[in-house]
Amino acid sequence: QSVLTQPPSASGTPGQRVTISCSGSSSNIGSKYVYWYQQFPRAAPKLLIYRTDQRPSGVPDRFSGSKSGTSASLAISGLRSDDEADYYCSTWDDSLSGWVFGRGTKLTVL
Amino acid sequence: EVQLLESGGGLVQPGGSLRLSCAASGFTFSSFGMSWVRQGPGKGLEWVSVIGGSGGDTKYSDSVKGRFTISRDDSKNTLYLQMNSLRAGDTAVYYCVRVSGYYYDSSALDYWGQGTLVTVSS
Repeated sequence: QSVLTQPPSASGTPGQRVTISCSGSSSNIGSKYVYWYQQFPRAAPKLLIYRTDQRPSGVPDRFSGSKSGTSASLAISGLRSDDEADYYCSTWDDSLSGWVFGRGTKLTVL
Repeated sequence: EVQLLESGGGLVQPGGSLRLSCAASGFTFSSFGMSWVRQGPGKGLEWVSVIGGSGGDTKYSDSVKGRFTISRDDSKNTLYLQMNSLRAGDTAVYYCVRVSGYYYDSSALDYWGQGTLVTVSS
């Protein structure tokens, strides 16, 4: 059972906006930055969002992150077929003294 | 370009040991913390361990504490993970990952290697 809770799946049609939620607690999301990772099948994860709402260079501005209290969200606008991937939220947990991850959300573009 | 290349994975019997290595290039290795993250077959990501730049503060997840040891050789730009008393539940792809900042609790895991597969089975 993961410390962070994500929906197992999400879907949308091309061009739509999709959001993926991530719920935690005061010892992690509530007091720390949130990070999002994108993972394609048989590939390593890639950092997508850092410090809750910042994009590394090369990540399109269609991807955005936000946080409110002990929950965070990843939004993907202008959905494309090549956005199909698994998305993981992550943050540092003070109680566990380590990084924690959600179980991942599989995004399907219909 | 940051590159992280893991090696040392393979098949090992329960109770056995294995040492993973990660050769780093494209950045000043000694200046960055490094971490291991694993992913079991068909499962999500699980943080395993971290070591600070120049061998500073080490931390472990509860699931590996006392069995795994993280270390680094800055002269060789190489990160290690010594894994002892291996269990079936340790079966996973192990990723070598760079830590973006000095303070762990405000840092991303910003660059990932391609991973090395460890299979624990008799």
